[in-house]
Amino acid sequence: ETGVTQTPRHLVMGMTNKKSLKCEQHLGHNAMYWYKQSAKKPLELMFVYSLEERVENNSVPSRFSPECPNSSHLFLHLHTLQPEDSALYLCASSPDRANYGYTFGSGTRLTVV
Amino acid sequence: SQKIEQNSEALNIQEGKTATLTCNYTNYSPAYLQWYRQDPGRGPVFLLLIRENEKEKRKERLKVTFDTTLKQSLFHITASQPADSATYLCALWPYNQGGKLIFGQGTELSVKP
Repeated sequence: ETGVTQTPRHLVMGMTNKKSLKCEQHLGHNAMYWYKQSAKKPLELMFVYSLEERVENNSVPSRFSPECPNSSHLFLHLHTLQPEDSALYLCASSPDRANYGYTFGSGTRLTVV
Repeated sequence: SQKIEQNSEALNIQEGKTATLTCNYTNYSPAYLQWYRQDPGRGPVFLLLIRENEKEKRKERLKVTFDTTLKQSLFHITASQPADSATYLCALWPYNQGGKLIFGQGTELSVKP
């Protein structure tokens, strides 16, 4: 385990469903991130939280809604997704936003049917 | 346009040889560059960070170089082992981009015994 835990590991959902992805870190990091990884494409940054405040929303559709209730937890709420949203969703954390490597979770493999 | 390019074709080498992976970038001014390892179905794992004023960084069998004139970083694994087989990602932190770590698409390395 890396210290960043994501649940569930796998998720299959219909286009009309609502589901949430959870990320948890107890590394004392101040910044947390959501990335999307599709096959053969670079990781795409979705959201950045620094000290529980959202500092980046990288033009992500509103059907993805992040939540950071405290510095250890990050959620990604999903509703009315499209099949093209199927991907590996990765959570990461770092001590601060700059000058450090990121610690990633193992990801949630999402399939939208 | 801004690009980060890594060898899209897989790199196949023999055990014991040195693997060299390339990361080229266009129209970025990176403050630093990072390398990650990613195994199938897992999140990336941070390996090394090299700053713009550093030419070379080493960690055990790993060596990274950073040439801001050529706009290129090279990642070397000496005395490679089958366990080094994975996808390797480079990521850069550019100035004036609002604090984002931007990833390349990765190069798959396969080390044959």
